[in-house]
Amino acid sequence: AQRVTQPEKLLSVFKGAPVELKCNYSYSGSPELFWYVQYSRQRLQLLLRHISRESIKGFTADLNKGETSFHLKKPFAQEEDSAMYYCALSDRGSTLGRLYFGRGTQLTVWP
Amino acid sequence: DAGITQSPRHKVTETGTPVTLRCHQTENHRYMYWYRQDPGHGLRLIHYSYGVKDTDKGEVSDGYSVSRSKTEDFLLTLESATSSQTSVYFCAISGSQGTEQYFGPGTRLTVT
Repeated sequence: AQRVTQPEKLLSVFKGAPVELKCNYSYSGSPELFWYVQYSRQRLQLLLRHISRESIKGFTADLNKGETSFHLKKPFAQEEDSAMYYCALSDRGSTLGRLYFGRGTQLTVWP
Repeated sequence: DAGITQSPRHKVTETGTPVTLRCHQTENHRYMYWYRQDPGHGLRLIHYSYGVKDTDKGEVSDGYSVSRSKTEDFLLTLESATSSQTSVYFCAISGSQGTEQYFGPGTRLTVT
C-alpha cells in the first residue's frame, strides 16, 4: 500500500506567487516526515523534517495528523525554487526504519 | 554534502552484461541504501544494509544483488543487465534507524 501520496505530478506558478506542494500519508503509528528537494540532475537534499519545525529557504511544512497531511508551503516562490520535491515518511515502527518516498512533484516557477 | 560518493557516475552497457555500482561513505554511518529513480515512479528502494554483511531486499530487488564487506562501501550488482534497468541509481546513508537519509550524486546507467 502506498504510504505517501503526492497528488500533483507537475505544478507551475509565477515568481512571487504562493506555492503549496501537497503530501498525504497513511501510517498507523506516530509519523516522522521529511521533504527532499532535487535540483536538475543533482542529488536529493534534505529540505525539511517535521520534528525540527524549521524553515529552510522560506519553505515551511506543518504536520496535520487529522488530515494525514504534510504540505510544503512558501509564500513567495522564486525561480530558483524550480526543482523536483519529494515527500518521505519514516517507518520507525519497522525493525529497520526505512523511508517511503512519494512519486514527487516537479515545481516550475516562471519569471 | 555528506561524504558520499558513487562510481561510476555514468555508464553505458549492453544487455546481458554484469554491472557493479559502488557507493562509498566517509561518515561511518551504519545504514546504507540503494534506490533507483524513474520518471513517474519517484524513488524505489532496491536493497539496503544495516551493517557489515547485513543486507536485505527492498521493493524492486529482482535482478539486483548487493554486498557490504566494509562499513564504508556498499556495492550494487546487476547480474545480467536488461533495458528495464536503465535508470538513475542513488545511494543513501543514515546514521540511525528511521531518520533522515543523505544521498550520493547518482549514477546514470544506460543498458542498450
